[in-house]
Amino acid sequence: QLQLQESGPGLVKPSETLSLTCTVSGGSMSDSYYWGWIRQPPGKGLEWIGSIYYSGSTYYKPSLKSRVTISVDTSKNQFSLKLSDVTAADTAVYFCARRERGIVAPIGYFDSWGQGTLVTVSS
Amino acid sequence: EIVLTQSPGTLSLSPGESATLSCRASESVSYTYLAWYQQKPGQAPRLLIHAASRRATGIPDRFSGSGSGTDFTLTISRLEPEDFAVYYCQHYGHSPPLFTFGPGTKVDFK
Repeated sequence: QLQLQESGPGLVKPSETLSLTCTVSGGSMSDSYYWGWIRQPPGKGLEWIGSIYYSGSTYYKPSLKSRVTISVDTSKNQFSLKLSDVTAADTAVYFCARRERGIVAPIGYFDSWGQGTLVTVSS
Repeated sequence: EIVLTQSPGTLSLSPGESATLSCRASESVSYTYLAWYQQKPGQAPRLLIHAASRRATGIPDRFSGSGSGTDFTLTISRLEPEDFAVYYCQHYGHSPPLFTFGPGTKVDFK
């Protein structure tokens, strides 16, 4: 059974870079899937941050694009998120998730999620 | 960019009743790329419905989705105690690739 697990520091200082890793177990990061990051500020809704294909091609939410880098290491079954120059507004639970690639047409939903990890931005 | 609006913000119901949740898009979208998720406190979202009306694997048939164009609906018939949660609709726009979530509807106990 596929499992995704987020890991990384729970506290980041303002203006620094938030770094998280998602480890995928029970399945491979093959060409059949995209991998994404979604966040949720405390008590608020969900916000997609960006996604990556196993080959390394990425796409990001336009309003975050200048600060976001998502990378993949298929040899370790991991993908990572870096968000630079963070502020208190970046405080959120960060989820990693999987999306199928789709053969005939794109698949537009996330079918497996990690449990999420809370990252607080504070000095 | 598509904006999703969900209504009502909160729905207060009792077990056994039916829930009707609305998701409205700011412009017409393909039903293929409209999904619904359930989220309980402290948990990750769980996929319920994709392509507007297709239940995800393992989702009970009391959950149903419908709609097209700008108006989509999630219906939960015969609410079970475990159905009290927050529900989000989500759209995927593939040119450019972009995921948008609605603000959510909370279904709580009356």
